[in-house]
Amino acid sequence: DAKTTQPPSMDCAEGRAANLPCNHSTISGNEYVYWYRQIHSQGPQYIIHGLKNNETNEMASLIITEDRKSSTLILPHATLRDTAVYYCIVHTGNQFYFGTGTSLTVIP
Amino acid sequence: EAGVVQSPRYKIIEKKQPVAFWCNPISGHNTLYWYLQNLGQGPELLIRYENEEAVDDSQLPKDRFSAERLKGVDSTLKIQPAELGDSAVYLCASSPTSGRWNEQFFGPGTRLTVL
Repeated sequence: DAKTTQPPSMDCAEGRAANLPCNHSTISGNEYVYWYRQIHSQGPQYIIHGLKNNETNEMASLIITEDRKSSTLILPHATLRDTAVYYCIVHTGNQFYFGTGTSLTVIP
Repeated sequence: EAGVVQSPRYKIIEKKQPVAFWCNPISGHNTLYWYLQNLGQGPELLIRYENEEAVDDSQLPKDRFSAERLKGVDSTLKIQPAELGDSAVYLCASSPTSGRWNEQFFGPGTRLTVL
């Protein structure tokens, strides 16, 4: 599976959009981009995934560039409960490689 | 639906002692995973089961770690003997074979401290 690169930490003001970037320049054509998050002392939680098209669900939006070498997870109105580590994962159907993720802190 | 259940939530043992972790996946989920998570790191896969068969155990340190899923439902991960470096969180996850088949549902984990 391709590896991903994420900034180690980010801050976001409460109520504002949080935009979390991820680089996956070695992604293959059949590999999906997944996002999970892990709130302190809990197991990771699925957020969203996509292949080529942008995706949106009740939690977030996923924007994938046309060349698929990078993506952005958007939390449209961040709340304090969104403070967590966010993992960007490239996945072919077997193993998830989580990496170290981005620690997002939402500031009141 | 009930989530993935793990027990115990916390375990403190002395080095060289054995320890076991238990996981009950979401009902109907045929795929079960055990992960190891060190402090400040993302989870790393130890073993993956499809029903009762271990289909990927390449990252499991087989000299001291073992796992079983005898009836294809709940699973046990064992360490014998434990070493100081085994202190970590052990996460269990499960996924279904249809519907949201590519999404993993995680339990809260067991935090192991080896003294």
